[in-house]
Order: sequence, then C-alpha cells, then structure tokens
Amino acid sequence: NAGVTQTPKFQVLKTGQSMTLQCAQDMNHNSMYWYRQDPGMGLRLIYYSASEGTTDKGEVPNGYNVSRLNKREFSLRLESAAPSQTSVYFCASSALTGEKQPQHFGDGTRLSIL
Amino acid sequence: GNSVTQMEGPVTLSEEAFLTINCTYTATGYPSLFWYVQYPGEGLQLLLKATKADDKGSNKGFEATYRKETTSFHLEKGSVQVSDSAVYFCALTDQGGSEKLVFGKGTKLTVNP
Repeated sequence: NAGVTQTPKFQVLKTGQSMTLQCAQDMNHNSMYWYRQDPGMGLRLIYYSASEGTTDKGEVPNGYNVSRLNKREFSLRLESAAPSQTSVYFCASSALTGEKQPQHFGDGTRLSIL
Repeated sequence: GNSVTQMEGPVTLSEEAFLTINCTYTATGYPSLFWYVQYPGEGLQLLLKATKADDKGSNKGFEATYRKETTSFHLEKGSVQVSDSAVYFCALTDQGGSEKLVFGKGTKLTVNP
C-alpha cells in the first residue's frame, strides 16, 4: 500500500531558484492538499484541490502555485524560492463522501532555502 | 473560520503514566474532530476521530470524547509506553461543510522508560 507518495524527500535550493514538489496518491481520492509545517506553527494549508480540475487557496498561498494534473497527482511549485519557504511540506488526500473522511499524509519533503 | 487551541508542550512522562492532552475548539455548525499523531521523520497518521457530540473515538489505548457543551476533545491514555513518543495534533473540519481541516499547533510527547 503506497498511499500518498511525495518526491523528493529532501532538497536544498538557493534563493531565487525554482522547483516542483510532486505528490501522487493511489487511493482514488477526490481531494488533495498541500501543507507546510514549521516549528510552533502546526500545519498550515497552502493550497487544496477538492476534485480533479479545481484548486483553491488555503491559509498561506503566497509564493506558491499548484497543478492538479489528474486525479492521482497534485504538484506544488515554488517559482522563486525564498528563505522564508524553508519548511517541511506535506501532501495529503481524502475521499469525498457524505461523512467527513480523514486525510492521509505523505512522509513529507524537507526543503531548505539558502 | 473554525479554530483549535491545543495544550502547549512539550510533555514528558514516565512509562505507564496517565496522559491527557487538552484540545478545545471554536466552530460554527457541527464539525468532525480528529487526533493525528506524527512519529519522528514521518507524516501525520490518523489516531482517532469523532463525528458528532458525545461520540468517543478510540484507538491503540487512546480515547477522546466529543464534548459539545465544553467545546473540547481531550486526548487520554491510561498507561503510556515509550513507543507513544510523538507529536500529537488536534484537528477539526473547517466551516461550511468544507473538506479542509484546521490543525492545532501540536503537542510533543516524550515517554521515558
């Protein structure tokens, strides 16, 4: 059971560089999410996608873009990385049913911006 | 929007001690409530959930009861083990029927042998 797979696991960038974080889920879930986790801040939602073809901003979207490529994949792009974007990034997915379903998380991407 | 206030950590206990991690929330409507656990170097995993008032979620010896009158969802375990050392997050669904979750800031638990 792969669940939610994130790549890469670690990355170091220089300020101004761009990169894309990849996320794929194999649970046929409709909804997908990107979070960042910073010490003392908990998890903050960057963007989410309620279904294929739709994306919406979360709490902290500035400096990021997303693409819901298909039902399985949801990527997060940093166009011009800044040191403030140093964080651990988590992708998650959930089913869309009548009852609120839990979110399933990947293992995270640890990103450092120098 | 909805919000969660979670007990500040870190919490350090000896093995077999009783654990309580407090969680209170502010919400409109009737949110679902969750506890997630994060082990070192890993993503979050669902620990337990409750979807309506007076529901009790339970898993791996952990329990939490959805208390609407006190807007609380405190996590408890009667006898903790070293393997319970992790960060625990309380969360609830955001308002308006959204699939989004709102997370607390997390409580780090360390259990010593």
